[in-house]
Amino acid sequence: QTVVTQEPSFSVSPGGTVTLTCGLSSGSVSTNYYPSWYQQTPGQAPRTLIYSTDSRSSGVPDRFSGSILGNKAALTITGAQADDESNYYCVLYMGGGISVFGGGTKLTVL
Amino acid sequence: QVQLVESGGGLVQPGGSLRLSCAASGFTFSDYTMHWVRQAPGKGLEWVAVVSHDGRNTYYADSVKGRFTITRDNSKNTLYLQMNSLRTEDAAVYYCARDFYHSMDVWGQGTTATVSS
Repeated sequence: QTVVTQEPSFSVSPGGTVTLTCGLSSGSVSTNYYPSWYQQTPGQAPRTLIYSTDSRSSGVPDRFSGSILGNKAALTITGAQADDESNYYCVLYMGGGISVFGGGTKLTVL
Repeated sequence: QVQLVESGGGLVQPGGSLRLSCAASGFTFSDYTMHWVRQAPGKGLEWVAVVSHDGRNTYYADSVKGRFTITRDNSKNTLYLQMNSLRTEDAAVYYCARDFYHSMDVWGQGTTATVSS
């Protein structure tokens, strides 16, 4: 069974830049997986940040960007702010109607 | 405004059943594929199921296949998740979400299913 991998945790300084990644236990992520990214704070519903690899969802600031880096999908946050401290999840579309979430990355801003 | 509102969560014993609903408003519901996503306490998000815009095609995560059924009633702008043979590991907040380019672009606030004896 394919596993979608994410860093369990990451930290960034205020104003800094961080890149979170989303990979596969076997194989490479490409645009064909339509990678998407979500931000979630405890007790809240997820918020969609990025869809189809690099398209920003409505209202998402441009300091959030998506890309393919090497064999993984990536979410880059530039100019990190305190309220970016959240859990971040990626989703890959596996085809045949099936989507799979990564395990999530807990981002700390300090 | 575009909105999804889940309901139907509650406490059920292992082996029992629960039917979740998701009422959509602010957009043409019948144009969109819809998902259910869940989150167990203290855990990450897990994709559960998806249904095509017309209800003809459905797909499930292996963890719920054969036990859960996703359906929709486009005349009522409502999405459903029938959950049977519930296990303790099915306890979670269940979110409905609208599909957009194989992502989920609009989310409800969730409804909680508790499975316990």
